[in-house]
Amino acid sequence: SQTIHQWPATLVQPVGSPLSLECTVEGTSNPNLYWYRQAAGRGLQLLFYSVGIGQISSEVPQNLSASRPQDRQFILSSKKLLLSDSGFYLCAWSVSVAGRETQYFGPGTRLLVL
Amino acid sequence: DQQVKQNSPSLSVQEGRISILNCDYTNSMFDYFLWYKKYPAEGPTFLISISSIKDKNEDGRFTVFLNKSAKHLSLHIVPSQPGDSAVYFCAASGYGQNFVFGPGTRLSVLP
Repeated sequence: SQTIHQWPATLVQPVGSPLSLECTVEGTSNPNLYWYRQAAGRGLQLLFYSVGIGQISSEVPQNLSASRPQDRQFILSSKKLLLSDSGFYLCAWSVSVAGRETQYFGPGTRLLVL
Repeated sequence: DQQVKQNSPSLSVQEGRISILNCDYTNSMFDYFLWYKKYPAEGPTFLISISSIKDKNEDGRFTVFLNKSAKHLSLHIVPSQPGDSAVYFCAASGYGQNFVFGPGTRLSVLP
């Protein structure tokens, strides 16, 4: 069965510090991978998605970046965090079945920027 | 422009009764819809999906209804249980498109 891991679970970082959040998927090959952010009291905002190694698409321009160095690894980074980067970050994976996808989410990382 | 709307930020229901969560969309290209349930500090978990070729899909206590002409879908939970208390997101996509999520509805099932 497939499993998705995210770490760390919680992170408190000062403004201007760098960020690296990691997501790994087990039990599947060549998944589509996604990074979402849920700000307090709001829905899920798609930040990045990847259909393969080294292939990253950005949905929202911001000071975050993503990388996919391996098939089942997806990393969310920032060189300098802003206060507005606080939120709950979710990684998700999906595979297509008959042209349709269902996304499965990781446990999330709660980021607080002070 | 919010393409997927969940106009009720919260809903309270008595245990054993029916919970009805609503979702409206504006993009007529959307033809595949999912519902997710999310507990605090956890990732959303997939509940049920429906494609536009159907108007109803049922899985245990969960039923999703789709009204394409009204661009409206709803999730029915019968009977509601305290463990159903969570935030529910609907998501929509068109063929080859990424999902768009609604803002969520917080369901509280009262014992």
